[in-house]
Amino acid sequence: DIQMTQSPSSLSASVGDRVTITCQASQDISNYLNWYQQKPGKAPKLLIYDASNLETGVPSRFSGGGSGTDFTFTISSLQPEDIATYYCQQCDNLPYTFGQGTKLEIK
Amino acid sequence: QVQLVQSGAEVKKPGASVKVSCKASGYTFTGYYMHWVRQAPGQGLEWMGRISPNSGGTNYAQKFQGRVTMTRDTSISTAYMELSSLRSDDTAVYYCARDMRLRLGYWGQGTLVTVSS
Repeated sequence: DIQMTQSPSSLSASVGDRVTITCQASQDISNYLNWYQQKPGKAPKLLIYDASNLETGVPSRFSGGGSGTDFTFTISSLQPEDIATYYCQQCDNLPYTFGQGTKLEIK
Repeated sequence: QVQLVQSGAEVKKPGASVKVSCKASGYTFTGYYMHWVRQAPGQGLEWMGRISPNSGGTNYAQKFQGRVTMTRDTSISTAYMELSSLRSDDTAVYYCARDMRLRLGYWGQGTLVTVSS
């Protein structure tokens, strides 16, 4: 199975800050990397697919990059409604493994 | 609009089985894989497997092989996930999610399964 390592596991930042999360795959997954946002008590929501494509309706302050084994997810200007846990997921090989998540809090 | 509506919460005893349903609407049910993902309390997301509603073909995560069965009923656009030999560490919220070209673009609301004696 492909292992997905996310960092950090938690992050505290101020409104307006630029926030970056990284995700590393244990082997080359090309660009088959998605990012999800999950708020407490809710289902995950797709934000970014194929490493860098913004899902329809998602604010442009969210972005993603990378390919191969190293990926980044960035919020350019943190908003209060962005408080959530973020997960990466690889869809290159079955099983479609997730990272362990990054819990984002407001400082 | 695409909707995935899951069955309600379940409480089961250790050793029992549970079957969770996921009714799809707003699109051609047979056109897209359906995945199942679970989340234990306070934990991350865990991919369990997927089913092709068209062929019925399945792929399961190794961890669940032998205990999980994913099926579908195309006449009512519903996918099912059955987990057997339940243990306390199977207590989790179980989600169905529709594939959208190698990403999970639509999710059900989740079904809490509690395993307790």
